[in-house]
Amino acid sequence: NAGVTQTPKFRILKIGQSMTLQCTQDMNHNYMYWYRQDPGMGLKLIYYSVGAGITDKGEVPNGYNVSRSTTEDFPLRLELAAPSQTSVYFCASTSGTKDYEQYFGPGTRLTVT
Amino acid sequence: ELKVEQNPLFLSMQEGKNYTIYCNYSTTSDRLYWYRQDPGKSLESLFVLLSNGAVKQEGRLMASLDTKARLSTLHITAAVHDLSATYFCAVLMNRDDKIIFGKGTRLHILP
Repeated sequence: NAGVTQTPKFRILKIGQSMTLQCTQDMNHNYMYWYRQDPGMGLKLIYYSVGAGITDKGEVPNGYNVSRSTTEDFPLRLELAAPSQTSVYFCASTSGTKDYEQYFGPGTRLTVT
Repeated sequence: ELKVEQNPLFLSMQEGKNYTIYCNYSTTSDRLYWYRQDPGKSLESLFVLLSNGAVKQEGRLMASLDTKARLSTLHITAAVHDLSATYFCAVLMNRDDKIIFGKGTRLHILP
């Protein structure tokens, strides 16, 4: 199992550009989460999903969109990038029923200039 | 809204000493996580605590959960330099399955 994979690892965006951060898990987990971590800070929940076709807002959803068309994939879309979105983005997943572990991807480091 | 508070936020301690990190949360939860993060890395799962009174131990780290007090502790025994890292607790909201993180405790162990 590859676990949770994220692409790209690094990205520099100009203000106003858009991009999609990819997240895929191969553990057949129903629950998936997107977090952002600003330098020296904790993790803030952006969006999450409890299953294919179901998404909901977290603590800091403004400026982002998500979709969950399959169990495996949970892409995060940034529209009109702003410097305040400079952060490290982590995707995570959990089965919620078996081992209850929340598995994290390696992260995407995004800089908006 | 669920609030998760960790303290202390920064901790510098000598090798060989014991210390405890506290995690308080504000609403009902059946699941609490502890993670370790090294600089520039992703999060490494340490413990998942599922019930009141749960206690788990791995090496020099021991975590416990008191759901009635809405409190979890991460106890470090005879600290060693390799345990220097940032430690996060995270709590599952029963109501809607959000998992919310505390701000983290940056632990620096002096040799």
